[in-house]
Amino acid sequence: RKEVEQDPGPFNVPEGATVAFNCTYSNSASQSFFWYRQDCRKEPKLLMSVYSSGNEDGRFTAQLNRASQYISLLIRDSKLSDSATYLCVVNMDSSYKLIFGSGTRLLVRP
Amino acid sequence: GAVVSQHPSRVICKSGTSVKIECRSLDFQATTMFWYRQFPKQSLMLMATSNEGSKATYEQGVEKDKFLINHASLTLSTLTVTSAHPEDSSFYICSAVGLAGDLQYFGPGTRLTVT
Repeated sequence: RKEVEQDPGPFNVPEGATVAFNCTYSNSASQSFFWYRQDCRKEPKLLMSVYSSGNEDGRFTAQLNRASQYISLLIRDSKLSDSATYLCVVNMDSSYKLIFGSGTRLLVRP
Repeated sequence: GAVVSQHPSRVICKSGTSVKIECRSLDFQATTMFWYRQFPKQSLMLMATSNEGSKATYEQGVEKDKFLINHASLTLSTLTVTSAHPEDSSFYICSAVGLAGDLQYFGPGTRLTVT
């Protein structure tokens, strides 16, 4: 079983749509959780950290369910510029090592 | 925000040669840097953890004699791919742990093509 699992997609949605991505992780001792965005042939960029209480940044909302070992990302009012691959990332321990999911590809069409 | 650079951004080399990739933290000191590799349509895979002044820690399945890592200063780590082969062609990305030790900052990546 992969340490971090994501639906690879692609999710093909019209502008303005709301889209949700899910992610599960295998290690219950995982400490920190993130969503990164990666554009084609570029490095990943931090989108947001994910907290148990849930957090929101503009059109983006992230949720963490430790009991189910499940992380989600909700994007409202999708823009064309949101087209990218979204990576679910987990930090297992205090060593700063990050484990990346395989990513979910989002295509927002006009 | 913290900036990490990589050099070169793209390199093409012949099979059997060695290639050195540099990773620099430009405006902060990084005691820990990481090296990742990403094959097409796959996610980032951690290769090794680079610690300033000590030997790198390699992930399982990564050959330490093939991927030489040197972290001689608090702002520079280098990855040398020795005797490169076409299967080493990949996108190599480094990251550095920020001052607060909570976030990793990624370099722009180096695309290696071995012919």
